[in-house]
Amino acid sequence: KAGVTQTPRYLIKTRGQQVTLSCSPISGHRSVSWYQQTPGQGLQFLFEYFSETQRNKGNFPGRFSGRQFSNSRSEMNVSTLELGDSALYLCASSLAGTSSNEQYFGPGTRLTVT
Amino acid sequence: AQSVTQPDIHITVSEGASLELRCNYSYGATPYLFWYVQSPGQGLQLLLKYFSGDTLVQGIKGFEAEFKRSQSSFNLRKPSVHWSDAAEYFCAVVVMTTDSWGKLQFGAGTQVVVTP
Repeated sequence: KAGVTQTPRYLIKTRGQQVTLSCSPISGHRSVSWYQQTPGQGLQFLFEYFSETQRNKGNFPGRFSGRQFSNSRSEMNVSTLELGDSALYLCASSLAGTSSNEQYFGPGTRLTVT
Repeated sequence: AQSVTQPDIHITVSEGASLELRCNYSYGATPYLFWYVQSPGQGLQLLLKYFSGDTLVQGIKGFEAEFKRSQSSFNLRKPSVHWSDAAEYFCAVVVMTTDSWGKLQFGAGTQVVVTP
């Protein structure tokens, strides 16, 4: 079974631009969570989607948004990029997103904002 | 406040020696507990998990972890490390609450360096 895939793997953007990252979960997994990883803040939860609905959201500004499609693929969007948005963005999928379902991570998208 | 603590930021261990990584949590209820490993430039790989039952859990790559409720700890161990175990290790928890959907809370991570 194929793992979680994320595209693109690397991205360089300029301050003020917007960016869209994509995540394809493991086949059959219906929950997708997104995380931001930085050296200073570590791994922080962005949001979680299940059946095209956002069920949970972390403490990030509204510039960070996401969505999920009917095939469970998910995208996250960051508008008006800031230098501090430079990070590794990880998505993870799980069967149903309950606490007892372990999450499987993709390789991440490395975003650099200049 | 709810938290996950990995007291050791960096550990150096000789190849063939044993390894123990510490994880402590502070939650009102027993959370679901996980250990993940991240190699440079890679995503996170699940090593093992604890939900309930036997407090000693076995994982992949020869790792095991022991849950100790009295100490609120979930320490990861490996009897004999290999050079390929050099990576960053993260302890993560989930507590069943109304806002826990899909949300893992991670410790700061422990960087493991393996010397010849």
